Amino acid sequence: DVKVTQSSRYLVKRTGEKVFLECVQDMDHENMFWYRQDPGLGLRLIYFSYDVKMKEKGDIPEGYSVSREKKERFSLILESASTNQTSMYLCASSSQRIPGGVYSYTFGSGTRLTVV
Amino acid sequence: GESVGLHLPTLSVQEGDNSIINCAYSNSASDYFIWYKQESGKGPQFIIDIRSNMDKRQGQRVTVLLNKTVKHLSLQIAATQPGDSAVYFCAENQRVQGAQKLVFGQGTRLTINP
Repeated sequence: DVKVTQSSRYLVKRTGEKVFLECVQDMDHENMFWYRQDPGLGLRLIYFSYDVKMKEKGDIPEGYSVSREKKERFSLILESASTNQTSMYLCASSSQRIPGGVYSYTFGSGTRLTVV
Repeated sequence: GESVGLHLPTLSVQEGDNSIINCAYSNSASDYFIWYKQESGKGPQFIIDIRSNMDKRQGQRVTVLLNKTVKHLSLQIAATQPGDSAVYFCAENQRVQGAQKLVFGQGTRLTINP
């Protein structure tokens, strides 16, 4: 079964801490994405990656960075966490190799991050 | 500045009634649309999709309608059940500088009254 795993369901961090959110997919997908989800704002794209060591900014990249050293793992990094980064973070992946696969996102269950 | 979250649109229906969830999309060049369902504590899950060369597509108990003239998408759920309670998102596929990405709407919370 297709699976995207986010390492933590809940995290509480202090302002100024460096935070790592990890995402692993077992489907050999090329594309991986990080979204944040806030009530009334839907899912907003932070960063995405179409290949190993490749990254592209999404719509709200400020305050975040990413790392994709291996195909199956896409990490989101908050260099210095702030309270306005309290949110639900969702990772997703998709494939370019199967017809229509680029559109078919598989999401993880999310990480709810609270910055205090 | 810090953004303030908006209230999530909600729709309440009686169990057994039909539900219609609406979505306005932004890009007239978008060629593909998807509806996702997100239950509490889970990530969004695919429900149904439609390409821009179609105006209607039916699945099991769900129908998606596309009106390109007014850039409007709707999801119809027949005979709504308690398990349909969730937040529903529409998404449009946009091509940006040769890359493709999904852009999501703000979501609608569907609650079922017994």
